[in-house]
Amino acid sequence: AQSVTQLDSHVSVSEGTPVLLRCNYSSSYSPSLFWYVQHPNKGLQLLLKYTSAATLVKGINGFEAEFKKSETSFHLTKPSAHMSDAAEYFCVVRTKYNFNKFYFGSGTKLNVKP
Amino acid sequence: DVKVTQSSRYLVKRTGEKVFLECVQDMDHENMFWYRQDPGLGLRLIYFSYDVKMKEKGDIPEGYSVSREKKERFSLILESASTNQTSMYLCASTRVLSEKLFFGSGTQLSVL
Repeated sequence: AQSVTQLDSHVSVSEGTPVLLRCNYSSSYSPSLFWYVQHPNKGLQLLLKYTSAATLVKGINGFEAEFKKSETSFHLTKPSAHMSDAAEYFCVVRTKYNFNKFYFGSGTKLNVKP
Repeated sequence: DVKVTQSSRYLVKRTGEKVFLECVQDMDHENMFWYRQDPGLGLRLIYFSYDVKMKEKGDIPEGYSVSREKKERFSLILESASTNQTSMYLCASTRVLSEKLFFGSGTQLSVL
């Protein structure tokens, strides 16, 4: 079975400080992992993806995530938050067993304070 | 850019009504999906389609059906709307084996 757990429903940081959004996954098969971002009143957009190449993945807008198989984690980070990063972030898993199913986490809302 | 268009941004319906949500994509994608998004629950897959007239149930198909008569269009049907179907509905599409989902802007459905 596949599942995704986002450990924090809300994260609040000050502008210019680091961002950490946590994600743990459960998968019976080699997973592909993604982070999607949803800005208010906008559609979801792919931020980055891991598909069994390099374990440290770089995405758009300075975000990156590290795949840690031993910890079954795929946490999203950014060294310095910007006001425009305020959005909801979703961790997503898909397995090689069933390419058609993307399993979404419950989401983490990131608030960036000036 | 790929465009996924959902016909309505906001919709208000009454309990028991039949509701159609339409989604059109313009990039010849094989796969199309319907999700519902609820606070604290993330996105949950209702149905997906991998070809014209082909469909597969997702995790929460009860109370919903779908139709895909043309490759570019995927419709979600609520046969008899109920208040617990009040939600944000998101359509997405992707090429087969692709890792990138393209989403529409969503339809906020309220069932009164």
